[in-house]
Order: sequence, then structure tokens, then C-alpha cells
Amino acid sequence: QVQLQESGPGLVKPSETLSLTCSVSGDSIKNSFYYWSWIRQPAGKGLEWIGRIFPRGNTNYNPSLKSRVTMSVDTSSNQFSLRLTSVTAADTALYYCARELGSRRYYFDSWGQGTPVTVSS
Amino acid sequence: QSVLTQPPSVSAAPGQKVTISCSGSSSNIGNNYLSWYQQLPGTAPKLLIYENDKRPSGIPDRFSGSKSGTSATLGITGLQTGDEADYYCATWDNSLNTWVFGEGTTLSVL
Repeated sequence: QVQLQESGPGLVKPSETLSLTCSVSGDSIKNSFYYWSWIRQPAGKGLEWIGRIFPRGNTNYNPSLKSRVTMSVDTSSNQFSLRLTSVTAADTALYYCARELGSRRYYFDSWGQGTPVTVSS
Repeated sequence: QSVLTQPPSVSAAPGQKVTISCSGSSSNIGNNYLSWYQQLPGTAPKLLIYENDKRPSGIPDRFSGSKSGTSATLGITGLQTGDEADYYCATWDNSLNTWVFGEGTTLSVL
């Protein structure tokens, strides 16, 4: 049973960079059947997909965030990471990492519990 | 405005049936598999339906999904108070080149 766990600072100052890591257990992040995504949810609002990284390291990003997002994968640690630059209060949200089935099957079968991030000075 | 349209809320009595609609377009629902997620209060979303109408192991058959053209429907029968949650539909959008989620529907079991 795969498990995902987000970690990172809960408070980030405006204009700085948000950095989060998702640790994966119970499956190898190199498994070619899956992609690895970040999704966020502002308090009381809906879900927004941020982007995904494939096992070989190539990425897809939400066009609305693309200029500020970088994702990377560390296969030796079985982790993948998110960097979001130039944050503002609008980036305050609960951030989830999730596993997506590949081959255009289009569903997230496992989610982390989420980590809250507040952007404030 | 979300690319996928869901009603903001639905409600029904315990034991009754409810349906939640999700409307999109040919660039998303019309040409890709749709999935549904249940988000209980204070928890992460959980996969409820995948590939339009399939249930993961452990999801009771009270939950069902269907798709027709550019719309999809989640059905829940035998409503229980524990079903009170937010429900989201989601799929990939081929034109926007991004995942798209519905705005979410809050289910109240009165």
C-alpha cells in the first residue's frame, strides 16, 4: 500500500520561495506506471492541480503557475519536490502530493494527508 | 469559473438516493476518462470512481459513476450521514494541457 507524506515549512514570506517535499513509501517513484503530482486547496475552496513529474524527470505544469513552478525527483530518496517562487497570499493553501495512474487513465489513486502553507510576513 | 461545472450543493434524507452532475466539453470529459473524489471534512480527497464508472477496492457499490458525451454523473444510494462530504469530478483537459477539477459539490444528508 503506497503512502505519501508531504513536508516543508508551514510559513513562507511574500516574494520568497515555497519548497515542499513528498516522501513516497510502499512503491518506487521510478515505477513507470505512475506520475507524481502536486495539488493545492485554499481554505474553503476547491482543488487546483499544480503540476506533475514523470519517473524520468520530465514535467507538466499548470499553465497558470508554470512561470513560477519547478518540480524535481530524487529517486535515491524516493521523494519528489515542489518549488514555487515569488509567492503571494494567494498561494496560501493546503498542499497535497498525489500519485496519478499513467497511460491516460487519468485518476489519482493515492494522496498525502496535505501540508498547510501560509504566505505571510 | 471552473472548466468542469458541478452544482454547489445537494441534499437528501438518509436512505435516499442522490446524483451529482459534472459538465464539461469535448476537450476534457468528452475525450478522457473522468474520476470522482470524496473529501470528508478535514481529510484529503479519496478516489471514489475512476475511468468513468469503476470503483476502487473498498468503495461500496452504493457509489456509481456514468458518463455520456461531455457530462458525467455520480450516484449515491442508501445515503448515510457518513457520506456528508465534498465531491469533486476531475479529468485532463487536452486544450488547456492541465488537469481540471470541478468546483466541488457539498452533500448534506438531512
